[in-house]
Amino acid sequence: AQSVTQPDIHITVSEGASLELRCNYSYGATPYLFWYVQSPGQGLQLLLKYFSGDTLVQGIKGFEAEFKRSQSSFNLRKPSVHWSDAAEYFCAVAASGGSYIPTFGRGTSLIVHP
Amino acid sequence: GAGVSQSPSNKVTEKGKDVELRCDPISGHTALYWYRQSLGQGLEFLIYFQGNSAPDKSGLPSDRFSAERTGGSVSTLTIQRTQQEDSAVYLCASSLGQSGNQPQHFGDGTRLSIL
Repeated sequence: AQSVTQPDIHITVSEGASLELRCNYSYGATPYLFWYVQSPGQGLQLLLKYFSGDTLVQGIKGFEAEFKRSQSSFNLRKPSVHWSDAAEYFCAVAASGGSYIPTFGRGTSLIVHP
Repeated sequence: GAGVSQSPSNKVTEKGKDVELRCDPISGHTALYWYRQSLGQGLEFLIYFQGNSAPDKSGLPSDRFSAERTGGSVSTLTIQRTQQEDSAVYLCASSLGQSGNQPQHFGDGTRLSIL
């Protein structure tokens, strides 16, 4: 079975600073990887996804993520954070074969200081 | 187009009462998922539907929890004899198919509070 770890519970950055949120997964083959964002009182919105091919994927709202097989990681990045990016971010992994129910990390809460 | 719709958005009820939560998935989405999100926690998988069938009920926490889906569309999650530990946000998601590469589309959730 797959698993995913988001080692940072909270991340605080200043507006305009760069951001990297960490995600590590465990799965025997190449997984399907996702990043979602959740604003207060709302459901999760898909930011980006990786299935195969180019390991650097671009998403919405200026986010990107890089799949590194050697490190079993799929870290989310943004060059310049805006105050509106403050939210909860979830990494998810789904098996490329077998169970198609994604496994979610516990989430990272992003706090943006003005 | 319309997204995933959940109702009610908020529900406050007394311990011991039954509650029913509703999810309207995106039209044409055959897969439907229920999750529970407790304060400060990640998403806890409850149940998954493919069409009207639930091949995986492994996440239902107790026999007080049940879910059904009719017409391959609307789903209801029922919690009987609610307990205070049932207080959480219940999220529903749907996807186009059952393959793992289908992103999920989430509703805004039902915030359930048990007094």
